[in-house]
Amino acid sequence: AIRMTQSPSSLSASTGDRVTITCRASQGVSNYLAWYQQKPGKAPKLLIYAASILQSGVPSRFSGSGSGTDFTLTISYLQSEDFATYYCQQYYGNPPRTFGQGTKVEIK
Amino acid sequence: EVHLLESGGGLVQPGGSLRLSCVGSEFTFSTYAMSWVRQAPGKGPEWVSVISYNGGTTYYADSVKGRFTISRDNSRNMVYLQMNSLRAEDTAIYYCAKDHATVVTGYYFDYWGQGTVVTVSS
Repeated sequence: AIRMTQSPSSLSASTGDRVTITCRASQGVSNYLAWYQQKPGKAPKLLIYAASILQSGVPSRFSGSGSGTDFTLTISYLQSEDFATYYCQQYYGNPPRTFGQGTKVEIK
Repeated sequence: EVHLLESGGGLVQPGGSLRLSCVGSEFTFSTYAMSWVRQAPGKGPEWVSVISYNGGTTYYADSVKGRFTISRDNSRNMVYLQMNSLRAEDTAIYYCAKDHATVVTGYYFDYWGQGTVVTVSS
């Protein structure tokens, strides 16, 4: 199965900061990559799909980029409601689907 | 608003069985593939299984292959996960999740249920 590796595992940031999270696939997945946000006690929420397309209703401060094996999620101006854990997920070819191990964004 | 509601979780002994159910509403259930995704305590999500919109195609994670079976009943807007030979490492919150688009099977997931807790312990 394709392995997804996120970095960093956690980061501390302040409101208003620009935050970048990276996700690396163990083999090329083209642009078949999604990003999710998860808050404690809640299910994951879809933010981005096809590496860079914003899901309906997601604020424009979120953006995604990348193709092949290297991807990034950027939050351009961190808001209080953005403190959460973020996961990447590949959907290249037939299943299985795999998620990254997560990046926890904490308040500095 | 799309709604997914799981049920059937609980405490089960190692080697036991459990059947999870998920009912979908406010979308055309029969046109979307449905997946089960689990999350062990303190861990990231782990995709478990997917079933195509008509039930004709299924896939499983290697960790559950041969032990779990996914099925669906489009007349009742239901998807199921039959879990046999349960192990301690199957302990997790189990979510059902809807594929974002029709005609695909197990891409990415735009709606998730609230989850049902499965605990495997003696």
